Amino acid sequence: KAGVTQTPRYLIKTRGQQVTLSCSPISGHRSVSWYQQTPGQGLQFLFEYFSETQRNKGNFPGRFSGRQFSNSRSEMNVSTLELGDSALYLCASSGGQGVPEQYFGPGTRLTVT
Amino acid sequence: AQSVAQPEDQVNVAEGNPLTVKCTYSVSGNPYLFWYVQYPNRGLQFLLKYITGDNLVKGSYGFEAEFNKSQTSFHLKKPSALVSDSALYFCAAPQTGTGFQKLVFGTGTRLLVSP
Repeated sequence: KAGVTQTPRYLIKTRGQQVTLSCSPISGHRSVSWYQQTPGQGLQFLFEYFSETQRNKGNFPGRFSGRQFSNSRSEMNVSTLELGDSALYLCASSGGQGVPEQYFGPGTRLTVT
Repeated sequence: AQSVAQPEDQVNVAEGNPLTVKCTYSVSGNPYLFWYVQYPNRGLQFLLKYITGDNLVKGSYGFEAEFNKSQTSFHLKKPSALVSDSALYFCAAPQTGTGFQKLVFGTGTRLLVSP
């Protein structure tokens, strides 16, 4: 099976702009989660989507939003970018019953200048 | 709330020697614990998980982890380290009531294996 794919891999944006990141989960996985990774804060959970519905949410401002499509692909959007939004954004998908592990994509490196 | 801690920022070991990367946890209810590895410019790769049962969990690439309830620890181990094992290792636990999807991660431990 193909793994989790994320596009684009790298982005450079200016403060105040908005950005959209895309994630395609492993085929058959219905849950998609997003994480932000920074040197200072480490790995932090943003949100999780399951069957097109946001099921879990982390402690991020409303500038961070996401959605999931009927084919389980997901996008996250960050509006009014701030310098502190510079980070590696990781998408993960999971499926199955019980306590499933999450499979991560390579990430999108966002730099805000 | 669930939390995990990795007390060591970095672990250095010589190739061929055994390695241990430490993780302690604080969870309510049944502990579910994961180990992930991150190579430079890559996402996280799943290594292994503990749900219940045997305290010694075997995972990918020859790694294993020992669950110790009395010490609330879940240390990652490998009998013989390889230079290619050099990477960033994360311990994680899912927050309760989230369908096991909201993972809380430790701060990470950088493993350096010298030739």
